[in-house]
Amino acid sequence: EDQVTQSPEALRLQEGESSSLNCSYTVSGLRGLFWYRQDPGKGPEFLFTLYSAGEEKEKERLKATLTKKESFLHITAPKPEDSATYLCAVLLGNSGGYQKVTFGIGTKLQVIP
Amino acid sequence: ETGVTQSPTHLIKTRGQQVTLRCSSQSGHNTVSWYQQALGQGPQFIFQYYREEENGRGNFPPRFSGLQFPNYSSELNVNALELDDSALYLCASAGGERETQYFGPGTRLLVL
Repeated sequence: EDQVTQSPEALRLQEGESSSLNCSYTVSGLRGLFWYRQDPGKGPEFLFTLYSAGEEKEKERLKATLTKKESFLHITAPKPEDSATYLCAVLLGNSGGYQKVTFGIGTKLQVIP
Repeated sequence: ETGVTQSPTHLIKTRGQQVTLRCSSQSGHNTVSWYQQALGQGPQFIFQYYREEENGRGNFPPRFSGLQFPNYSSELNVNALELDDSALYLCASAGGERETQYFGPGTRLLVL
């Protein structure tokens, strides 16, 4: 069974204290991995897509990396506005337009001023 | 702004009733997926439509059904509502097989 595990479930950081969020997966036929940010009661906001091991992407204070079994979201010098739940999702499926996306439970990040 | 809209934003129903939720995808996006997100959980895949046909389904019973229309709008229908159906329902559209899915703001459904 395809599984996506995120750790930690919750993380509390001081403003400026860098850290990393982990997403490990046990799936067959990985075609891509997404990171999303979600604020309470809102839809997930797209951050990054990674397609192959060794790939890295950056956006402001965030950097996502991918290996064959896990992905990391590195947060450098976070600010209070980075507080949110960060979701990892794996893209599976076959050709012909079918995309099955399996999400992890998310990491709830709180950044304290 | 993702260009994906959903209506209504909130809805209250009673057990046994039926509900229809609506989504308008980004123009040009042929794929729409629906997800159920319970409080404190990640989104769970319900099903996906591609060019107006269902082409993938998660572990949800047949009382969850959908439609996709040529004008990039879609519907999620849930019959015989149960208390456990209370959740945030999300739709996401994408432009191709490996394209990123962009989410709408969601519809919060409460079943009493």
